[in-house]
Amino acid sequence: NAGVTQTPKFRVLKTGQSMTLLCAQDMNHEYMYWYRQDPGMGLRLIHYSVGEGTTAKGEVPDGYNVSRLKKQNFLLGLESAAPSQTSVYFCASSSPKLIRGLYNEQFFGPGTRLTVL
Amino acid sequence: SQQGEEDPQALSIQEGENATMNCSYKTSINNLQWYRQNSGRGLVHLILIRSNEREKHSGRLRVTLDTSKKSSSLLITASRAADTASYFCATTDRGSTLGRLYFGRGTQLTVWP
Repeated sequence: NAGVTQTPKFRVLKTGQSMTLLCAQDMNHEYMYWYRQDPGMGLRLIHYSVGEGTTAKGEVPDGYNVSRLKKQNFLLGLESAAPSQTSVYFCASSSPKLIRGLYNEQFFGPGTRLTVL
Repeated sequence: SQQGEEDPQALSIQEGENATMNCSYKTSINNLQWYRQNSGRGLVHLILIRSNEREKHSGRLRVTLDTSKKSSSLLITASRAADTASYFCATTDRGSTLGRLYFGRGTQLTVWP
């Protein structure tokens, strides 16, 4: 099992360009998440999905769009990249369970390092 | 913000010493988790402690939770150079059915050989 994979690993964009980050998981997880990680800020949730065809906004959704057309894939789009979107982007997935209480470990991909010039 | 806060931001110790990291949070929680991130990699789950638990062990890891103080600590005993990484706490709100996590800013641990 590959777990959670992300494509691409690195990308450099110019301001105003668009791109899509792809996340794939092979664990049949219902939930998927996109985070960004900036120095000194920890991980901040951009968007998430609780199932195929559903998405919701997280803490910092502005400037991003997402789609979950297939259960195993979660796409993050930047329509018009800005330097403030320079960051490392992580995708995660989970399958929350009730086992003597909520158990909601998240599994992370290796990250995409994006630079917007 | 519901984000937790780790303390200290950075910790530097020698191999064989114990490392203690603390996490404070603001809301009522269902559980609290600790994750590890090696440089340039994704986060890896270490341990989960529920709101009705006070202490949990996993190998060289010991986690405590004090819900009255809204704080948790992660102790790594007999540290090794391979423990060098960033450590994050993450909380799940009480009543959450979505499994959403709120991450702290992390503690950077460096273990010198």
